[in-house]
This record gives sequence, structure tokens and C-alpha cells, in this order.
Amino acid sequence: ETAVFQTPNYHVTQVGNEVSFNCKQTLGHDTMYWYKQDSKKLLKIMFSYNNKQLIVNETVPRRFSPQSSDKAHLNLRIKSVEPEDSAVYLCASSRDWGSQDTQYFGPGTRLLVL
Amino acid sequence: QQKVQQSPESLIVPEGGMASLNCTFSDRNSQYFWWYRQHSGEGPKALMSIFSNGDKKEGRFTAHLNKASLYVSLHIKDSQPSDSALYFCAANTDKVVFGTGTRLQVSP
Repeated sequence: ETAVFQTPNYHVTQVGNEVSFNCKQTLGHDTMYWYKQDSKKLLKIMFSYNNKQLIVNETVPRRFSPQSSDKAHLNLRIKSVEPEDSAVYLCASSRDWGSQDTQYFGPGTRLLVL
Repeated sequence: QQKVQQSPESLIVPEGGMASLNCTFSDRNSQYFWWYRQHSGEGPKALMSIFSNGDKKEGRFTAHLNKASLYVSLHIKDSQPSDSALYFCAANTDKVVFGTGTRLQVSP
């Protein structure tokens, strides 16, 4: 049962282009996240939002910017993509910004930069 | 900064066998831990959480936590081919940090 939805599933683009990824959760959670999963399958947190407010912004290049219209949606925009941006981008949500809350992940968006 | 290391990197067990996955963390303030499983082409899915020292059993899965030793493990009894996946442990202090992953293959 999918409750965290991501679009697109897959995107191929050229270096220098801009891309946007969408994420929506239907769990009624207050907190959402973006992770990057590289070719070695390591999961790195990029951004965390709680009730539309940015609470964690890891050291990511400035060309990455999250956008939240409401607490159920968290999009990710990448201006001027680079080859090293090729990865799977995973969106997740949790009930609250609490230590004990399990995260629920979407299926991911795979980005390939040529 | 919290470091969460998993071993082994990959593991092959026969169907019906026991799989044992290990995880060490570096921050002694870590209180909450999870095991996640990721099948190919999907996002990670939480298998179980463990917050207290000792063992926690859910079906074929048993997690063990020893905070003093900075160690958490997952044991999968009667492994099935459907258990073949990438497994992550995760530890939380002020934020969740995921481990390096263990790829489990269960051979029929």
C-alpha cells in the first residue's frame, strides 16, 4: 500500500537543465524529507520539513531547492544539473519531527544526467 | 557526526537458513533504532523498531540492541527468497542516520 507518491519515476536530462520532482503523502504526517541514494546505495538526508517549515538543510549544493506548498507536499528542484546528480531521490514522511517516529518512503525518482 | 556502519556488506544464505546482520553506531546519545528493508526498484520500508536494550521479536525477525556496546543486530529466521533485499539500520539522536547497508541474497 503506497502512501507516499513520487513523480516522475524516471527522468533523463542533459547537463545544465533544470528538473523538478514531486512528492505527496496521504498519511497526514507533519514531517517530510528528501534523501539522495547514490550508486553505492548510501542514503543521505538532504532536507527535512516540518509543517511546511525547513528544519534540516544538510550541506547540499545551492542548485538544490525544496519547495513545500502544504504539509502533504514537498517538491525538489534542481537548477542546472550536474553529472554527479545522477541518483535516486527518495521522499519520505513521518508523523512528527520526533525521535521515535518511523519514516515512510516513496518509490523514488531515478535521475540520469547525460 | 553520527556514523552508522553495517556488516557484512553482502550475505548469501540458503532458503530456510538464518541471516544475521550487524550494525554499530558512534553516538552514545542514540536512543531509537530501526531496521529498514529495500527491495530493488522500491523505497525502503520499515521492518521494525527497537528502543530498549535486549531482544525484540516480530515473526521471523528478531532485533537485538545493546546501547552500551553501540550495537544493534537483526536476525532473520527461516529466510525466504522474498527476504532478498538491501537492509539498512537507522539510528536517531537529533536526526535519523542510515547505515551503509547489507545486501542479503537468499538462495532457493
